[in-house]
Amino acid sequence: AQSVTQLDSHVSVSEGTPVLLRCNYSSSYSPSLFWYVQHPNKGLQLLLKYTSAATLVKGINGFEAEFKKSETSFHLTKPSAHMSDAAEYFCVATGGGAGSYQLTFGKGTKLSVIP
Amino acid sequence: DTAVSQTPKYLVTQMGNDKSIKCEQNLGHDTMYWYKQDSKKFLKIMFSYNNKELIINETVPNRFSPKSPDKAHLNLHINSLELGDSAVYFCASRLAASSYEQYFGPGTRLTVT
Repeated sequence: AQSVTQLDSHVSVSEGTPVLLRCNYSSSYSPSLFWYVQHPNKGLQLLLKYTSAATLVKGINGFEAEFKKSETSFHLTKPSAHMSDAAEYFCVATGGGAGSYQLTFGKGTKLSVIP
Repeated sequence: DTAVSQTPKYLVTQMGNDKSIKCEQNLGHDTMYWYKQDSKKFLKIMFSYNNKELIINETVPNRFSPKSPDKAHLNLHINSLELGDSAVYFCASRLAASSYEQYFGPGTRLTVT
């Protein structure tokens, strides 16, 4: 079964400094991978997706993620944090269960941005 | 122009009551989902419907019954509500023939007292 591990439950950065949110997946094949963001009291918004095309994926709001098969990682980065980036971030993979399309969620990383 | 909408946004009710949450999507998708997000923010799939047919039913108590009257709607009815049902419930949808990403509704915060 697919599993997704977000290595940090909470990351705190200063405004204007880089953001790194770490994610590892376990799979015997290359899944589709996503990052979703959830702002307080809001639904989940798709930030970016990897679907076996380019390994460096660009998303909205200046976020990027790089798929590294050898490390089974899909870390999310942003060069410069903004206050509006403060939110919960979920790394998600396909292949969790009854059908490869089922999504498996990581436990989330809360990003705090200090002014 | 809301893509995936849910009603109500907040629901406060007492133990033992029966309640429903409605979900509608206007994206033309053919697959819809219900997820439960617990107090630790962990998201777990509950049900999935494709073209009005149930295709995923995770280990959810049978007090929870999804109903899909058509491809654009997936409602969730909960009988005999319990304290442990308190959570945020998210509806999502996807077009099965395209890629795997799902589009989520804004969530329904259910509080059982």
